[in-house]
Amino acid sequence: DAKTTQPPSMDCAEGRAANLPCNHSTISGNEYVYWYRQIHSQGPQYIIHGLKNNETNEMASLIITEDRKSSTLILPHATLRDTAVYYCIVRVELSRGAQKLVFGQGTRLTINP
Amino acid sequence: GAVVSQHPSWVICKSGTSVKIECRSLDFQATTMFWYRQFPKQSLMLMATSNEGSKATYEQGVEKDKFLINHASLTLSTLTVTSAHPEDSSFYICSARTSWDSESSYNSPLHFGNGTRLTVT
Repeated sequence: DAKTTQPPSMDCAEGRAANLPCNHSTISGNEYVYWYRQIHSQGPQYIIHGLKNNETNEMASLIITEDRKSSTLILPHATLRDTAVYYCIVRVELSRGAQKLVFGQGTRLTINP
Repeated sequence: GAVVSQHPSWVICKSGTSVKIECRSLDFQATTMFWYRQFPKQSLMLMATSNEGSKATYEQGVEKDKFLINHASLTLSTLTVTSAHPEDSSFYICSARTSWDSESSYNSPLHFGNGTRLTVT
């Protein structure tokens, strides 16, 4: 089962910042938070990941709360091409060091002109 | 960046036939590859974890005899849908991570292929 919860949908105006929240209240101390997005009929695209410090790359910023129970993905200047389903994922640890990514339902972000 | 190539991108087959989907890591070695399935308007569902040189680990409810996975090299994993039926029609997606022998690679993100749309008639 997915270890994260996200709102099912969000809207944002083109050019504005899109802030996508994610709750992961059962996250363990050494588990990373990963963000992916999926544009229709394509494979998921990696965006960013982090452990406890805020992270920024050319695509987005990731803000993780101090207790690590939630995080926010920020797209600073959303464009129409950012319309996609965004997934927040916490890795599921298996035995003997194995691990897997379990996808929840994600947030369908629509950027409006 | 790491590239995962999936082939074919789409395939149509007749009921009862078998279909093979290839997943290749183009510029890195992948000890582990993952196979997902996605139905329309739904999220990705993990089917199995493919380990190079050993048997795949299947998720609960996924028939290992129907979805044959082979991971014979560090750059190639294949998924064969045997005796396909219309209900197997779906979007199949693979992903891979670089081999891990350090903390940084252990937590490195998965890279996904662009998926294979299977239609069984």
